[in-house]
Amino acid sequence: GESVGLHLPTLSVQEGDNSIINCAYSNSASDYFIWYKQESGKGPQFIIDIRSNMDKRQGQRVTVLLNKTVKHLSLQIAATQPGDSAVYFCAENGGSNYKLTFGKGTLLTVNP
Amino acid sequence: NAGVTQTPKFRILKIGQSMTLQCTQDMNHNYMYWYRQDPGMGLKLIYYSVGAGITDKGEVPNGYNVSRSTTEDFPLRLELAAPSQTSVYFCASSYGTGRRNTEAFFGQGTRLTVV
Repeated sequence: GESVGLHLPTLSVQEGDNSIINCAYSNSASDYFIWYKQESGKGPQFIIDIRSNMDKRQGQRVTVLLNKTVKHLSLQIAATQPGDSAVYFCAENGGSNYKLTFGKGTLLTVNP
Repeated sequence: NAGVTQTPKFRILKIGQSMTLQCTQDMNHNYMYWYRQDPGMGLKLIYYSVGAGITDKGEVPNGYNVSRSTTEDFPLRLELAAPSQTSVYFCASSYGTGRRNTEAFFGQGTRLTVV
């Protein structure tokens, strides 16, 4: 079946560096792609989403890039801080307005 | 606002026992969900509800049941616990704004161990 997956399970960066977390998707019916952050012991928290007719969307210190040609999604975090240490999940809605499919997640560790 | 509240936070069950995981939200959201998260994995949808009185199966519904008698509450029932149901369970809700129903609010999770 179609799925959302991640290229790298772990990413370690130095504080202040920029981080890039990647995700591959296969469901071409999805019209929204989303990034969630999950801190240890907590539930996932919405970060940012992007509609399929866009290729870039910026938030506060985060940018999501969408490449539909190769079905690739990335999350860029500028000036990474220790508080950014978490597991990051990409998700897609599969063209549905109420169901999200989550990828496996990438663990981001920020070293001081 | 409290957001999404789950109880209990931790529970150990013996094989064959039953229990109900409670979930309530105070945001007046139409949509509610139950996910399970196995170690090192993403979240898999168990059941969801688009409004009071309406529930539907997700990817992994076997062994679970739900009900949605009110907008606020969405309990998840395990009838005959099995070791395969050892997981962390998350309840979530969302407002439901058409296709861009992408911002779900999650509870803190219930860590369930079946022995």
